[in-house]
Amino acid sequence: RKEVEQDPGPFNVPEGATVAFNCTYSNSASQSFFWYRQDCRKEPKLLMSVYSSGNEDGRFTAQLNRASQYISLLIRDSKLSDSATYLCVVNSFMDTGRRALTFGSGTRLQVQP
Amino acid sequence: DVKVTQSSRYLVKRTGEKVFLECVQDMDHENMFWYRQDPGLGLRLIYFSYDVKMKEKGDIPEGYSVSREKKERFSLILESASTNQTSMYLCASRGRGRYEQYFGPGTRLTVT
Repeated sequence: RKEVEQDPGPFNVPEGATVAFNCTYSNSASQSFFWYRQDCRKEPKLLMSVYSSGNEDGRFTAQLNRASQYISLLIRDSKLSDSATYLCVVNSFMDTGRRALTFGSGTRLQVQP
Repeated sequence: DVKVTQSSRYLVKRTGEKVFLECVQDMDHENMFWYRQDPGLGLRLIYFSYDVKMKEKGDIPEGYSVSREKKERFSLILESASTNQTSMYLCASRGRGRYEQYFGPGTRLTVT
């Protein structure tokens, strides 16, 4: 089982739609969670951190459910510019005790006019 | 803004060649990372460094080595390139006590 699992999509939605992605993680000791955005042939960029209480940044809302070990990202009023791959990222500890990020394979979103 | 740069955007090498990928960050970050990204597999950690001259293996270190002689620079070395090392290579850095990582633009390496 992968440490971080995401539906690869693609999710094809019209402009203005609301779309939600989920991500599950296997390490119950994970403490920090993020969503990164990656445009085609570009590097990943931090979109937002995910806090236990849930957090919102404009049209984007992230939620964490520790009991079920999943993270969600909700995008309201989708724009064409939201088309990208969204990576779910979880911090984990290596055998050495050092922190490292584990990345999901990403969910591709295509917003259509 | 954090700036992470990589020496090449595209690179084509022959099987058996020694390959150097360079990464430089300008934010005085202690931690630096090398990943490779392949379709369907996501980003996989090759090596990381938490200080000058310090390194630790990631999930897939075989066939790679690294060097960190200066804080701002982290090099990935393919001792003898093979076709299965054809991939997108991404460098990242992170400040002490932080979780978020900042990525360079990536190097798309093709080994023929």
